[in-house]
Amino acid sequence: GAVVSQHPSWVICKSGTSVKIECRSLDFQATTMFWYRQFPKQSLMLMATSNEGSKATYEQGVEKDKFLINHASLTLSTLTVTSAHPEDSSFYICSALEGIRADTQYFGPGTRLTVL
Amino acid sequence: AQSVTQPDIHITVSEGASLELRCNYSYGATPYLFWYVQSPGQGLQLLLKYFSGDTLVQGIKGFEAEFKRSQSSFNLRKPSVHWSDAAEYFCAVGAQFGNEKLTFGTGTRLTIIP
Repeated sequence: GAVVSQHPSWVICKSGTSVKIECRSLDFQATTMFWYRQFPKQSLMLMATSNEGSKATYEQGVEKDKFLINHASLTLSTLTVTSAHPEDSSFYICSALEGIRADTQYFGPGTRLTVL
Repeated sequence: AQSVTQPDIHITVSEGASLELRCNYSYGATPYLFWYVQSPGQGLQLLLKYFSGDTLVQGIKGFEAEFKRSQSSFNLRKPSVHWSDAAEYFCAVGAQFGNEKLTFGTGTRLTIIP
């Protein structure tokens, strides 16, 4: 149980285009999902908290107009990187809260974004 | 604010040897503590977690961790490592009761030599 998927697993796009990444909880419902960014050989940096049916909460320094988050259902959250630039190239990982008290994060496999 | 320190950036261990990865946390109340493992290019897999109760917790793949409140530590151990254990290990701390955000340590990269 507690499986989280991400799609796509990797994507290459041209500078200026937008890219959408999906995060799904496959065998449980998640009212809360998280989006992280990870640079090579570094730890995870929380970008935003995604709550079903409400606006996402962004961490300080994360541009909410650039990283659009939509959590339209209890099993799906999407992250759209708008007008992507090479500096947005990174590994993006989502997680979903699961457990009796929604107290444990389960992570997706990540999405490698490369912006040319 | 909560924080996590993993003092060892990189550890090399011989296959079959024992392993201990260190984790120290800073948090004002009783924390939720987690260990995750990440293989190259992959997401994070939960190894084990501590919320309350027995301070020695067992996880998957033969790992265990011990919560020591007096030392603010939650070290990960395994009695005999396998080559497949080579990966990046992250310790994380979260708050109880409602604040689900996790704070991660910087990670420890584990290399296994034959």
